[in-house]
Amino acid sequence: TQLLEQSPQFLSIQEGENLTVYCNSSSVFSSLQWYRQEPGEGPVLLVTVVTGGEVKKLKRLTFQFGDARKDSSLHITAAQTGDTGLYLCAGATGGGNKLTFGTGTQLKVEL
Amino acid sequence: NAGVTQTPKFRILKIGQSMTLQCTQDMNHNYMYWYRQDPGMGLKLIYYSVGAGITDKGEVPNGYNVSRSTTEDFPLRLELAAPSQTSVYFCASRSDGWARGEQYFGPGTRLTVT
Repeated sequence: TQLLEQSPQFLSIQEGENLTVYCNSSSVFSSLQWYRQEPGEGPVLLVTVVTGGEVKKLKRLTFQFGDARKDSSLHITAAQTGDTGLYLCAGATGGGNKLTFGTGTQLKVEL
Repeated sequence: NAGVTQTPKFRILKIGQSMTLQCTQDMNHNYMYWYRQDPGMGLKLIYYSVGAGITDKGEVPNGYNVSRSTTEDFPLRLELAAPSQTSVYFCASRSDGWARGEQYFGPGTRLTVT
C-alpha cells in the first residue's frame, strides 16, 4: 500500500506569513497533484507536477516535485484568509488510473 | 455543463438499512471514482471504473457495491449500513488522454449511520 504523509497536519497562521506544506512517500509517482478543499465541497485541482525537480508557480503558491518523484512541497507566500482550507497531495502511478491521496493539511489563516 | 453531480447531499441511515448514492457526470469521461473522507483526513478509494461495464476495487471496498451501465452514471450501493460507514462520500471523474490522473470531484454526500 502506497502512503503519502503530509506535514504539518494542522497549521494556523496570521495573514501575511509564509508557510510550507510537505508531502512525503517512499513510493515513486508518475505525477503528483495538489488539491484544495473548502468546507462542504469537493477537492479542486491546483496543480500537477510531472518531472522530478519541477517547480510550478500559481500566483503566491509555489509547488515543487522532488528529484526522485517521491515527495513534494507547497509554499505559500504572504498567506491570505482566502487560502484557508484543506490541502491534499495526491500521487498517480502507472497509467494514472488511480490516485493515492495524502493525509491532508488543514490550514487556517487569520487576520 | 454541470460537471459531476451527486445526490443526495445529506442522509441519515439506521444500522442495517440500505441505500444508493447517485453520481452523474456530463463530461463524457470514461474514468469514474468513489472515495470516502473521514473528518479532516484525505480520501480513500472505494471503487473505480475505467468505462461502462468495467469496475474494480479500491483500497476500502468492503460493505459497498458499484455498477456502471452507462458512461454518465456510477452509483454506489451500501447494502447493510454500519456506523463505520459514517463519512462524506465523493464521486469523481477524469478524462482519457495522457495519464496525469487529474480528477474532477462532485460536491459530496454526507452520510450518518446511527
